Amino acid sequence: QQKVQQSPESLIVPEGGMASLNCTSSDRNVDYFWWYRQHSGKSPKMLMSIFSNGEKEEGRFTVHLNKASLHTSLHIRDSQPSDSALYLCAASPNYNQGKLIFGQGTKLSIKP
Amino acid sequence: EAAVTQSPRNKVTVTGGNVTLSCRQTNSHNYMYWYRQDTGHGLRLIHYSYGAGNLQIGDVPDGYKATRTTQEDFFLLLELASPSQTSLYFCASSPDWGGQDTQYFGPGTRLLVL
Repeated sequence: QQKVQQSPESLIVPEGGMASLNCTSSDRNVDYFWWYRQHSGKSPKMLMSIFSNGEKEEGRFTVHLNKASLHTSLHIRDSQPSDSALYLCAASPNYNQGKLIFGQGTKLSIKP
Repeated sequence: EAAVTQSPRNKVTVTGGNVTLSCRQTNSHNYMYWYRQDTGHGLRLIHYSYGAGNLQIGDVPDGYKATRTTQEDFFLLLELASPSQTSLYFCASSPDWGGQDTQYFGPGTRLLVL
């Protein structure tokens, strides 16, 4: 069973709209969350990380973290066609140094 | 940005064949990782290492061996390849503990086992 669950599996958002992606860990021993973005045919690249409760904003991207519920969300405002990609959430368990557990991903499509 | 290279980029083998996938990073990173990516499963960790001669078991290690020969080089070995190992394989590296440091991914190797 996946220890990191992402929803939805796929999402279509009109250009200029807001995309909201969710991620929850079922493992309570998770300290850190990461969001990676993978364009079609390319390798994953780190987008944002969040380690503390609250919100972190970088340009059009905002990440929220609620450590009590082990839930993180990624919000993309003013979505662009170039945002179309697979978004992978990853969690780092504190009992196993060096390891990331990835979710199955959310495929985001931005429609012009 | 950190540079991670993989070879070959594409590989076709037959069931029971031997395959070695290579990964090199030139950024003096301590940690290196091997993942496989399959539709619906995201990235799954096969093996990882925090230095030359070190090997840690990942989440899906069955059928795979790995060896870290130097700081730069990490190899994934499939000694009796099976069709279930058909997948896209990524190598990654990070400066230190992957939980706190960004992982940088190579371009991937697409493996087909017939």
